[in-house]
Amino acid sequence: NAGVMQNPRHLVRRRGQEARLRCSPMKGHSHVYWYRQLPEEGLKFMVYLQKENIIDESGMPKERFSAEFPKEGPSILRIQQVVRGDSAAYFCASSPFTGPDGNQPQHFGDGTRLSIL
Amino acid sequence: GDSVTQMEGPVTLSEEAFLTINCTYTATGYPSLFWYVQYPGEGLQLLLKATKADDKGSNKGFEATYRKETTSFHLEKGSVQVSDSAVYFCALPRKESSYKLIFGSGTRLLVRP
Repeated sequence: NAGVMQNPRHLVRRRGQEARLRCSPMKGHSHVYWYRQLPEEGLKFMVYLQKENIIDESGMPKERFSAEFPKEGPSILRIQQVVRGDSAAYFCASSPFTGPDGNQPQHFGDGTRLSIL
Repeated sequence: GDSVTQMEGPVTLSEEAFLTINCTYTATGYPSLFWYVQYPGEGLQLLLKATKADDKGSNKGFEATYRKETTSFHLEKGSVQVSDSAVYFCALPRKESSYKLIFGSGTRLLVRP
């Protein structure tokens, strides 16, 4: 009974390169959320996706960041032309549905630690 | 706006000591409240939750009571173990977008043998 799977666990990129982070939700889950965690801080919401749809990307930086959740395959968080400030842990979570009061907890993956040289 | 405030860490305790990690919140209405735990190098795991006022969430010896009078959801454990060493996050869903979890900044717990 696999949980939320993220890969890679660690990713090192040089400034200006692209970073692709992948997330496979738990079986039966169709809602995916991406969060970013800066050192010594809590997680900050980035984007919420359902299959083939971006529902809310209000937490995403306007430039260089994009996310998708195709009909087949994992959700992808893509960061173009990375900069030092993109260094963080990126977590994916999934849920089977969103309750009216947020009652349905989200299940988190182990995260991708992105380091920018 | 909605927010969560946690006590700053690190909290360092000896094994079998009593643990309290304070969490207070500001929110419209009465949202569900969660405690998540993050072990080193891992993602967040849901530790416990409470969905309405006066509810007590409990799991693995940890407890937290939803107190609307004091807008608090403090995490407690009567006797901590070395394996409890982790970062603990208090969280709640934003009212207008309940899928957006708002996290506190986390409290690191270190339990010494």
